[in-house]
Amino acid sequence: EAQVTQNPRYLITVTGKKLTVTCSQNMNHEYMSWYRQDPGLGLRQIYYSMNVEVTDKGDVPEGYKVSRKEKRNFPLILESPSPNQTSLYFCASSRTENFQETQYFGPGTRLLVL
Amino acid sequence: GQSLEQPSEVTAVEGAIVQINCTYQTSGFYGLSWYQQHDGGAPTFLSYNGLDGLEETGRFSSFLSRSDSYGYLLLQELQMKDSASYFCAVKSGGYQKVTFGTGTKLQVIP
Repeated sequence: EAQVTQNPRYLITVTGKKLTVTCSQNMNHEYMSWYRQDPGLGLRQIYYSMNVEVTDKGDVPEGYKVSRKEKRNFPLILESPSPNQTSLYFCASSRTENFQETQYFGPGTRLLVL
Repeated sequence: GQSLEQPSEVTAVEGAIVQINCTYQTSGFYGLSWYQQHDGGAPTFLSYNGLDGLEETGRFSSFLSRSDSYGYLLLQELQMKDSASYFCAVKSGGYQKVTFGTGTKLQVIP
């Protein structure tokens, strides 16, 4: 089954304790993204990756890191989480074919930083 | 930077047609996408317009006019299960950054 998986789905942590949210896709997509969703603000792109070893900042990259060492994986790293990073996080991957793009989202990770 | 505008809320009657508009300001435009999100769920892809014109997928259609920086999502034969939030999103720039609108909450009433 074609899918994007994220782990963990729920996480409660404390300020300053490094954490990693994993993301994996089995569709051989080149483009992958991380978004955060906050009430009233919609989805905001944190980082994206056009392909292996190619990443760039989205609209809200501060406090986050990513890496793309393999095509299927795109982990999101919070080196020193702070309460303002409490949010719902989505990973996504997409393909473009014949001017048509389809983006698939993971189930989401709810993060609470105390 | 990029910005998108869409109505915050729309109410429509079951069986009717509803149009959700999206206007955008961006540089290096690649395409406009539409997503559906039910409360507590992940966004689900509905439609993408890379070129001007209408794209139809079942009960959903999406339109793009690049010269007007405008698009819309058309939902026909509305069903109660269509009650959800709908987001437009623009892909732009050399590295294809994605910017979402703040979403339109659609309520379908009997």
